[in-house]
Amino acid sequence: DAGVIQSPRHEVTEMGQEVTLRCKPISGHDYLFWYRQTMMRGLELLIYFNNNVPIDDSGMPEDRFSAKMPNASFSTLKIQPSEPRDSAVYFCASSLGVGYTFGSGTRLTVV
Amino acid sequence: GNSVTQMEGPVTLSEEAFLTINCTYTATGYPSLFWYVQYPGEGLQLLLKATKADDKGSNKGFEATYRKETTSFHLEKGSVQVSDSAVYFCALSTHSGGGADGLTFGKGTHLIIQP
Repeated sequence: DAGVIQSPRHEVTEMGQEVTLRCKPISGHDYLFWYRQTMMRGLELLIYFNNNVPIDDSGMPEDRFSAKMPNASFSTLKIQPSEPRDSAVYFCASSLGVGYTFGSGTRLTVV
Repeated sequence: GNSVTQMEGPVTLSEEAFLTINCTYTATGYPSLFWYVQYPGEGLQLLLKATKADDKGSNKGFEATYRKETTSFHLEKGSVQVSDSAVYFCALSTHSGGGADGLTFGKGTHLIIQP
């Protein structure tokens, strides 16, 4: 199994631009999570899905953030418009209920 | 709400030293407890877990015991190696499977092992 696959690995964008982060979970996993990691705030849960349905999005910081899971093998996290304070590493993780498998993350830099 | 507190780093040790990284938690119900490790530039990897009181999780020489009476899950290793240098995260989930409601993480402890 290739594990959880995230793309891109690195993204540099200008303030105000739209950014889309992508995640392919492990086949058969029915939970998908999006986390953000910063030095100041550590790891924060943004949103998670169960069977493609958003269950809890209370961690999404603002309306500029949105996430979708159109099918069991793909999810996106979109930021529009992006701001410098969104700079962070964004992790996707999937689970079958007995633990999490994390992707390698997307390092986002907004200048 | 749920929270995890772990010792601040960085923690610097010499090779073959004994390691303890403290972790305490606050949770509603009966949480499952986890230690994750993050190597530079990589995602988080599950190191070990325990799902009920007095369980001991172990992996790669690391151990942690779920202590309900002290709400703790301290990570230990008897003899560390340079390759153990990484950031270690204590985490909890309030569903026994660990995958149902998202993990609450501690801030992480940066461990540096010197040869």
